[in-house]
Amino acid sequence: DGGITQSPKYLFRKEGQNVTLSCEQNLNHDAMYWYRQDPGQGLRLIYYSQIVNDFQKGDIAEGYSVSREKKESFPLTVTSAQKNPTAFYLCASSSLNRGRTEAFFGQGTRLTVV
Amino acid sequence: RKEVEQDPGPFNVPEGATVAFNCTYSNSASQSFFWYRQDCRKEPKLLMSVYSSGNEDGRFTAQLNRASQYISLLIRDSKLSDSATYLCVVNLRGNTGKLIFGQGTTLQVKP
Repeated sequence: DGGITQSPKYLFRKEGQNVTLSCEQNLNHDAMYWYRQDPGQGLRLIYYSQIVNDFQKGDIAEGYSVSREKKESFPLTVTSAQKNPTAFYLCASSSLNRGRTEAFFGQGTRLTVV
Repeated sequence: RKEVEQDPGPFNVPEGATVAFNCTYSNSASQSFFWYRQDCRKEPKLLMSVYSSGNEDGRFTAQLNRASQYISLLIRDSKLSDSATYLCVVNLRGNTGKLIFGQGTTLQVKP
């Protein structure tokens, strides 16, 4: 089945530790995105990438890092510099072909920092 | 001003009612528009794309007004299962890949 997979679904980390969230897609999409969602809030863009080895900061990139070494993969690292990392993290991908730019989401990772 | 704005609601309506949501966007160069549905603690799922000519899918109708820079979603004959948060999404510059979400509008359909 084609789709986008995030892992793990739940993640617990101690304060001060870096943690990496996985995101893989087999939809042959060029663009991939990371969003953060806090309770009762909308999605805020962290980083996005349109092509391998290139990515752009979104609105809340501070304290996060990404890489795009393969088209299928776009891992997100939450660093110790992120002051409030506990949140629901959503990865998405989309085509860049005109008229087909809707995004498809993974099931998300709930990160809790204690 | 936020790039994409929605009234967070909640909208509380009885079954069978018709309800409409609006969403405004700030960048006049925006090219692609979508409505997503998000259930509690789940990922957003595409409800429908929004085309310049407007489009309909069953009980759902989406409209785009470029002059006033807003999109709308109309739900007719509301069902209990329509209860969710509806997210407006805009691709700010055509197919450059930056999708911006509104904060969502919560709909609660009551028996």
